[in-house]
Amino acid sequence: TQLLEQSPQFLSIQEGENLTVYCNSSSVFSSLQWYRQEPGEGPVLLVTVVTGGEVKKLKRLTFQFGDARKDSSLHITAAQPGDTGLYLCAGERGGSEKLVFGKGTKLTVNP
Amino acid sequence: DTGVSQDPRHKITKRGQNVTFRCDPISEHNRLYWYRQTLGQGPEFLTYFQNEAQLEKSRLLSDRFSAERPKGSFSTLEIQRTEQGDSAMYLCASSSWGSPGSSSFGPGTRLTVL
Repeated sequence: TQLLEQSPQFLSIQEGENLTVYCNSSSVFSSLQWYRQEPGEGPVLLVTVVTGGEVKKLKRLTFQFGDARKDSSLHITAAQPGDTGLYLCAGERGGSEKLVFGKGTKLTVNP
Repeated sequence: DTGVSQDPRHKITKRGQNVTFRCDPISEHNRLYWYRQTLGQGPEFLTYFQNEAQLEKSRLLSDRFSAERPKGSFSTLEIQRTEQGDSAMYLCASSSWGSPGSSSFGPGTRLTVL
């Protein structure tokens, strides 16, 4: 059983479109992170959210942490080919010193 | 400091051989983590160190795997008697105490076992 479920698993869109990817769990997390990973490279941290209901913006990316701290979403406005990559959500559970990852959403933005 | 580094970036070995990977964390980080990522999956936790002490090991870490961080700086991950199922990307990450959520990852070592 996957602790963090990401959807969709694959997403292929045209440049300029908007998209949202989801990260859901039945467990509560003390924080949630979003990473972007390119083929053959390690994940790069985009954002950490820690407070239920928190919204963070990073240029065209908007991240939201659910009120109950069980889920999160990533919204990209006007996607660009440079946004192509694997988007991973990861959670930190209270008292644990490790991250639990979802399987990721593979995003392709076509020019 | 240029971030977490890992060596080698790629390793091809034959089944039954031993391999060792190295990770150099960000210098001021006292936490170091090893994760394994297979195709189509997110990274899975293997083990972590605080300074030189190995504080947690996953059940994924069979007795063929051993990790060390002898001086609380760099770490090594050794796999003995490799199996084809060990083929994966091995990722190292480091963070400050109490902040696993702000971990910085290295570029990974891609292991292929033939």
